[in-house]
Amino acid sequence: ETGVTQTPRHLVMGMTNKKSLKCEQHLGHNAMYWYKQSAKKPLELMFVYSLEERVENNSVPSRFSPECPNSSHLFLHLHTLQPEDSALYLCASSQQLAGDMYEQYFGPGTRLTVT
Amino acid sequence: LAKTTQPISMDSYEGQEVNITCSHNNIATNDYITWYQQFPSQGPRFIIQGYKTKVTNEVASLFIPADRKSSTLSLPRVSLSDTAVYYCLVQGLGTDKLIFGTGTRLQVFP
Repeated sequence: ETGVTQTPRHLVMGMTNKKSLKCEQHLGHNAMYWYKQSAKKPLELMFVYSLEERVENNSVPSRFSPECPNSSHLFLHLHTLQPEDSALYLCASSQQLAGDMYEQYFGPGTRLTVT
Repeated sequence: LAKTTQPISMDSYEGQEVNITCSHNNIATNDYITWYQQFPSQGPRFIIQGYKTKVTNEVASLFIPADRKSSTLSLPRVSLSDTAVYYCLVQGLGTDKLIFGTGTRLQVFP
């Protein structure tokens, strides 16, 4: 496997379900990100794990819970979602160097549908 | 946080040069500009990145004027496969400054 992988690629869940999205990066990077992309809207940064520190967008509801057990793996735990949470969830990684520019490498995304 | 403004859509024909301009009037001193390309149902892909003047790689060129309040992505001789959404992103050195705009949908016709 190369780059950034995400599983599952598609997920349909009910509002009372609990599910998790998984992301794995094979690039040796030290930062990982979760983005949400709704139809016809810009990418919205949800969470960042950088150098073992978590940064989050305060507008993200608590029904989304991230977990980063190590620098290569990132999870997004989902519970009691709403239909408006249906979107493409993208994971990305980057190599953070102090005072330097960086680029993000994105995975293919998980298409989530909440029914 | 620096907000970006881009045209919503652009049309072009194969073989033409395409220039997409992004406005970022309140860019900060330490911010830099990054462009990404996204195809439907895929994650964005890095194209080019720069701080000032001109940057060129095998895919595109990025022009940034002295005041850095705008930037232009230049795609030479586009092909049908360049049909995608192009995002301009102004990034700070910290990870909390990652705001994507609405992007520019480029349609290339034969």
